[in-house]
Amino acid sequence: DTGVSQDPRHKITKRGQNVTFRCDPISEHNRLYWYRQTLGQGPEFLTYFQNEAQLEKSRLLSDRFSAERPKGSFSTLEIQRTEQGDSAMYLCASTPAVGGEYNEQFFGPGTRLTVL
Amino acid sequence: ELKVEQNPLFLSMQEGKNYTIYCNYSTTSDRLYWYRQDPGKSLESLFVLLSNGAVKQEGRLMASLDTKARLSTLHITAAVHDLSATYFCAVDVRGGADGLTFGKGTHLIIQP
Repeated sequence: DTGVSQDPRHKITKRGQNVTFRCDPISEHNRLYWYRQTLGQGPEFLTYFQNEAQLEKSRLLSDRFSAERPKGSFSTLEIQRTEQGDSAMYLCASTPAVGGEYNEQFFGPGTRLTVL
Repeated sequence: ELKVEQNPLFLSMQEGKNYTIYCNYSTTSDRLYWYRQDPGKSLESLFVLLSNGAVKQEGRLMASLDTKARLSTLHITAAVHDLSATYFCAVDVRGGADGLTFGKGTHLIIQP
């Protein structure tokens, strides 16, 4: 069992550039979540997918943020025209949600974004 | 809007002592989670509490849930240095449809 993986682990970019992060959930977990964590705070929910369907995206921080999960397996989170305030840890989590019963979320190692 | 409040936010204690971290939340929920986070690392699941009166224990940590009081506690018994970390409680109110709402975390330092 390889757990949730995320790539890259660290990303440094200049303000105004676009960045994309990837998350590979635990195999056969059909729900996938994205969170943002800033220093000294708990993770903040951004969006989630049930298989390939994005069921909640109103919590994405702005229209510069978008996420996809095209085949119901891995997911990507893109931030366009990055700003210094986007600097944070971006966490991905997955859960099996079998038969309508929701279970605990398992988190990946995160991608730490620094916007210069 | 769901609010999750933890206290204390910072705790420094000596090895061998007992202490309790409190987690209050503002909306009815019967699903509460405790996570541990080491510096620069991701979150490790500690406990899943799914009903009123639930109590779970793992080693020196014990978590409980009182849904009527909207309160969960994480009790540390005879603390050891390896338990130094940040502990988060998180609440789920819509079966995961709103993700988890986290508290700000309790930064715990256990000194020899």
